[in-house]
Amino acid sequence: KAGVTQTPRYLIKTRGQQVTLSCSPISGHRSVSWYQQTPGQGLQFLFEYFSETQRNKGNFPGRFSGRQFSNSRSEMNVSTLELGDSALYLCASSWDRTAYEQYFGPGTRLTVT
Amino acid sequence: AQSVTQLDSQVPVFEEAPVELRCNYSSSVSVYLFWYVQYPNQGLQLLLKYLSGSTLVKGINGFEAEFNKSQTSFHLRKPSVHISDTAEYFCAVSGKAAGNKLTFGGGTRVLVKP
Repeated sequence: KAGVTQTPRYLIKTRGQQVTLSCSPISGHRSVSWYQQTPGQGLQFLFEYFSETQRNKGNFPGRFSGRQFSNSRSEMNVSTLELGDSALYLCASSWDRTAYEQYFGPGTRLTVT
Repeated sequence: AQSVTQLDSQVPVFEEAPVELRCNYSSSVSVYLFWYVQYPNQGLQLLLKYLSGSTLVKGINGFEAEFNKSQTSFHLRKPSVHISDTAEYFCAVSGKAAGNKLTFGGGTRVLVKP
């Protein structure tokens, strides 16, 4: 069974631009969560989607948004990029809304210049 | 609110020696506890989890952890490490009401020396 895939793996953007990251969960998984990883703040929860609905949200500004499609694939969008948005963005998928077993993708490394 | 503290940011250890990574959590409700490992340029891989039952949990790659409710701890141990265990290790907590939201500790970087 294929694992969680994230595209692109690396991305360089300029301040003020916007970016869209994509996550394809493991086949059959219906929940997708997103995390931001930075050296200063560590791993922080962004949001969780299940059945195309946002179920939980972390403490991030409204510039961070996401969505989930009917095939469970998810995208997250960051608008008006700031230097501090440079991070590794990780996606995790699981069968349902319990945190018993989440599988993480390799991440998208976003650099904002 | 839940929080996790990993007491050591870096742990150097010689090959074949034992290692213990410390994790303390705070939560006002029942918790689920996890340890994840992250190798360079990769995502997170689940090592083990505590949901309920036996407080000694065995995971992959020879790791185990013990849940101690009175001390609110979930320390990770391995009796004999290998060079390939060099990685960053994250302790995380969740709960029934949290859905799939994990709260992570700051991580412990393990460097195994030959």
